[in-house]
Amino acid sequence: GENVEQHPSTLSVQEGDSAVIKCTYSDSASNYFPWYKQELGKRPQLIIDIRSNVGEKKDQRIAVTLNKTAKHFSLHITETQPEDSAVYFCAASFLSGGYNKLIFGAGTRLAVHP
Amino acid sequence: DADVTQTPRNRITKTGKRIMLECSQTKGHDRMYWYRQDPGLGLRLIYYSFDVKDINKGEISDGYSVSRQAQAKFSLSLESAIPNQTALYFCATSDPGTGVYNEQFFGPGTRLTVL
Repeated sequence: GENVEQHPSTLSVQEGDSAVIKCTYSDSASNYFPWYKQELGKRPQLIIDIRSNVGEKKDQRIAVTLNKTAKHFSLHITETQPEDSAVYFCAASFLSGGYNKLIFGAGTRLAVHP
Repeated sequence: DADVTQTPRNRITKTGKRIMLECSQTKGHDRMYWYRQDPGLGLRLIYYSFDVKDINKGEISDGYSVSRQAQAKFSLSLESAIPNQTALYFCATSDPGTGVYNEQFFGPGTRLTVL
């Protein structure tokens, strides 16, 4: 069935280090993969997304890579800062009954320590 | 700024009560969604609507119903609330754009507690 698995569930890094969060999805037809960041007490907000026609996308300190053959995609944050501390959700699109919808991973709680 | 709003922001209710959560948006988007967030389970889709006459069940629709009163309004009802419906509920909207899937914009959330 439709499923997105996300690892790790928690991640603790020192300021300046890199952080990597990985997701796998079940449907080979999925073609859109967004990442959302949710700060404490706030709403989720899109930080980066990638479509199936590209393998990598970068925006300043964040990047996402996609391996369609293996059905996994990853979020990379370089030079982490305390304000990167948040819960990060990956998602993948699934086509069901003619409608495209998102299935989210369970989330990764990232803590960046000064 | 165009936004997605939810009322109430917090609600405590008792088992068996009917409750309605409301979502309004000024983004002019056709697509609206209801999710619930539970620790360790991420965001799970309850219902979604791609226009005023369109309602679709998501992953976890049992125990919930929705109403799309207008393009800008999408309400979620719990007909008879139970404690395991205690969660954080988010409304979201998106623009179909060119037909390719696009960013979803979330409301601030409603924290619901069922005693």
